[in-house]
Amino acid sequence: DQQVKQNSPSLSVQEGRISILNCDYTNSMFDYFLWYKKYPAEGPTFLISISSIKDKNEDGRFTVFLNKSAKHLSLHIVPSQPGDSAVYFCAASGSNDYKLSFGAGTTVTVRA
Amino acid sequence: DAGITQSPRHKVTETGTPVTLRCHQTENHRYMYWYRQDPGHGLRLIHYSYGVKDTDKGEVSDGYSVSRSKTEDFLLTLESATSSQTSVYFCAICRGQGNSPLHFGNGTRLTVT
Repeated sequence: DQQVKQNSPSLSVQEGRISILNCDYTNSMFDYFLWYKKYPAEGPTFLISISSIKDKNEDGRFTVFLNKSAKHLSLHIVPSQPGDSAVYFCAASGSNDYKLSFGAGTTVTVRA
Repeated sequence: DAGITQSPRHKVTETGTPVTLRCHQTENHRYMYWYRQDPGHGLRLIHYSYGVKDTDKGEVSDGYSVSRSKTEDFLLTLESATSSQTSVYFCAICRGQGNSPLHFGNGTRLTVT
């Protein structure tokens, strides 16, 4: 049973606008959350993370929001750029677990 | 990732044959992982290692075995490949302590015919 869920397989957004990607989790022991970006024929690359003691983390154009009570996190990309077109994976782990559980991914397409 | 090399990058094999995929790291990290990526499933953990000769199963370990005889190498073996094992396989390392991101290699695309 998948413990990390990304219910939107795809997202299309116009260049310059905001992209919002959503992720839900079921395991209440998860306390560390990450987003990865993946281009075709390459491995996933780490984008941004957040621990459960925070509800927001920002890195340039990327911001992750965590709502622990709802077991929900989201990734905001502002402004979206053509190079952001990729598959985005949400991931989570428990405290000092050293293992990540991943969602199914959301394919983002940024239109010119 | 410059610190992780997966080989081969592509392989086609027949059902019932053994296959070994290799992951090599140059950075001497303790934790190494094998994941598979499939449409609709994201990445799923097959096996991981927390040191030389120390390995444990992930969520989709059936049909796979691993070995780690040296810190730098983590091998994934399909004893008798099946078509359901057609996938893209990623190796990863953990560079930090505790809650740290994993860093992935560029993957091996395996096709079992």
